[in-house]
Amino acid sequence: EVQLVESGGVVVQPGGSLRLSCAASGFTFDDYTMHWVRQAPGKGLEWVSLISWDGGSTYYADSVKGRFTISRDNSKNSLYLQMNSLRTEDTALYYCAKDNAPRHYDPHAFDIWGQGTMVTVSS
Amino acid sequence: DIQMTQSPSSLSASVGDRVTITCQASQDISNYLNWYQQKPGKAPKLLIYDASNLETGVPSRFSGSGSGTDFTFTISSLQPEDIATYYCQQYDNLLITFGQGTRLEIK
Repeated sequence: EVQLVESGGVVVQPGGSLRLSCAASGFTFDDYTMHWVRQAPGKGLEWVSLISWDGGSTYYADSVKGRFTISRDNSKNSLYLQMNSLRTEDTALYYCAKDNAPRHYDPHAFDIWGQGTMVTVSS
Repeated sequence: DIQMTQSPSSLSASVGDRVTITCQASQDISNYLNWYQQKPGKAPKLLIYDASNLETGVPSRFSGSGSGTDFTFTISSLQPEDIATYYCQQYDNLLITFGQGTRLEIK
């Protein structure tokens, strides 16, 4: 079964740091670009970041650039999001998602999603 | 950034109705447009990719069309299980953006 399972979401104070993880199974992880997408409570979807299949290219939404770092460990079938200098507006459910185009550097569609992990930034 | 304007923001329709949602891009995005369905408390699900291609396993009552700046998502005959919020998403450049969503309810 193709599956993504996120973890690491907690309550953190403004200015704090957090690392999210996403464990992948059921597909050839190192063939696909991976993404983080977030959804604030009661709001719409916001793309956060992507990392290419080989880890060589990373891109970020302007709202997180310079504060968040995406990475992957293909030997562990795992995706990560290091979140620093957290703000209250970063409060959201964070999804990892798989791109549907193998061995492409450009993004396409998100065909597999995890269940999400909740990050709450509050004092 | 490319802005995606989705309309309507909410919609109420009866079972069996034809439902249409539109998405307009702020600049030409060719066919780099996807549609997702999100049910309450669940992760989004890919329905349509590249503007008009039906994802594997998705019922044929769902369809998409358009290119350039104007796109349409259609449910040909609304079913009770289609109650959800629908999002368009562009990937023309590396700053991926979503529409604001359309909440679909049963009348």
